[in-house]
Amino acid sequence: AQKVTQAQTEISVVEKEDVTLDCVYETRDTTYYLFWYKQPPSGELVFLIRRNSFDEQNEISGRYSWNFQKSTSSFNFTITASQVVDSAVYFCALSEAGGGETSGSRLTFGEGTQLTVNP
Amino acid sequence: DAGITQSPRHKVTETGTPVTLRCHQTENHRYMYWYRQDPGHGLRLIHYSYGVKDTDKGEVSDGYSVSRSKTEDFLLTLESATSSQTSVYFCAISEPRNEKLFFGSGTQLSVL
Repeated sequence: AQKVTQAQTEISVVEKEDVTLDCVYETRDTTYYLFWYKQPPSGELVFLIRRNSFDEQNEISGRYSWNFQKSTSSFNFTITASQVVDSAVYFCALSEAGGGETSGSRLTFGEGTQLTVNP
Repeated sequence: DAGITQSPRHKVTETGTPVTLRCHQTENHRYMYWYRQDPGHGLRLIHYSYGVKDTDKGEVSDGYSVSRSKTEDFLLTLESATSSQTSVYFCAISEPRNEKLFFGSGTQLSVL
C-alpha cells in the first residue's frame, strides 16, 4: 500500500529564512506521481506541483523549489526567503499509476506540515 | 478556478440523523472524489467516481455512501451520522487520469 510521511508537524521560521519541508513516500509501483498542495488559513487547497516518477529533475518556480530523489524516496519542498504569506499547511501526496481507467487520480496525502512565518 | 461548488458550506446535525453533502462541477471532468480532513490525518479518500453511476470505495468508506446520477453531481451520504464523522469534507475533480486534483471549498460538518 502507498504511504506518505511528513515527519515535521509544525515549523516556525522568521521572515526571509529558507525552509525545507520533508516528504518521504512508499509505493510498490514503478510509475507514480508526486504532488504538493498548499492550504492557507482560508482553507482552500491550492495545487503547487506534480512530478512523475521518471522525471528526477529538480524544479524551481520563483521562491519555490522541489528536490525529488528516488534513491531515498523523498520529494522535499524548499521555500527560499520565506514570507508571511507562505504561512499555511503544506501537503505532500502520492498517486500510483496502476489500476487502469477506473482508478483516476486517487491521491494519498501525508499528514501535512504547518508552516508559520513570523515577521 | 475550477468550477466546483460544495453545499452546504457548514452543517450542524445530531447523531443518528442522515446527512447528504453535494458536489457540483461545471468542468465536465470524468473523475470525482470525496475526501475528509482531520487533524493528524491529512486528507483521506472516502469514495470516488470514474463515471456516471460508477463509484468505488476509498480508504475510509465505512458509514458513507455515494451516488452519481449525472456527470456534474456527486453526492456523499452519511446514513446515520456519528460524532466520529465530524470533519471537513472536500470534493475534488480531475481529468484525465493521474492528473492533479482540483478541490472545492469544503464543507464543515459537526455531528453533536
